[in-house]
Amino acid sequence: KNEVEQSPQNLTAQEGEFITINCSYSVGISALHWLQQHPGGGIVSLFMLSSGKKKHGRLIATINIQEKHSSLHITASHPRDSAVYICAAAANNDMRFGAGTRLTVKP
Amino acid sequence: GAGVSQSPSNKVTEKGKDVELRCDPISGHTALYWYRQSLGQGLEFLIYFQGNSAPDKSGLPSDRFSAERTGGSVSTLTIQRTQQEDSAVYLCASSFGPGGSSAFFGQGTRLTVV
Repeated sequence: KNEVEQSPQNLTAQEGEFITINCSYSVGISALHWLQQHPGGGIVSLFMLSSGKKKHGRLIATINIQEKHSSLHITASHPRDSAVYICAAAANNDMRFGAGTRLTVKP
Repeated sequence: GAGVSQSPSNKVTEKGKDVELRCDPISGHTALYWYRQSLGQGLEFLIYFQGNSAPDKSGLPSDRFSAERTGGSVSTLTIQRTQQEDSAVYLCASSFGPGGSSAFFGQGTRLTVV
């Protein structure tokens, strides 16, 4: 079993839909990161969370430390949100990555 | 710069050639990580530097791969005698200390071996 599990693996949505991507982890963490990887391969760090909730534009990330679960939400999705979203759990001197969620938003 | 900088952003090389990938971490960050993502795969840990401690090289896939970090700042990942399976996005991250709790990621270097 992977230490960081993401769901769903693939997600197709219509423009405007509200999207949720989930991440569960089994390791103790000091922080959790949400990353975005566009088709060209570049990776952007979206959020770093150790508790609670963060919001940036249409993106919201939440984390429940007790339940070892984090969610990334995208409101009013747009085709430019199409990318792979990766959850990364930071623990000790290493980071463990989820397999990623491939999001496709259709116009 | 304000963030982690990697260069080049893209590199195409012929099989058998050596390549060097560079990572400039955020100033003051003592921890530096290298990862790679092969096509269709998740991110794979390669090597970790923390201050003056011996690096954790446990993720390097073969002895063709090496990395150094000069002066506790810039890091270079070297791949000797590149093979087609080395084609991947190589990602660097840095943080203030161990644990990655304040880690920042570079944009990655896309390496293509032809």
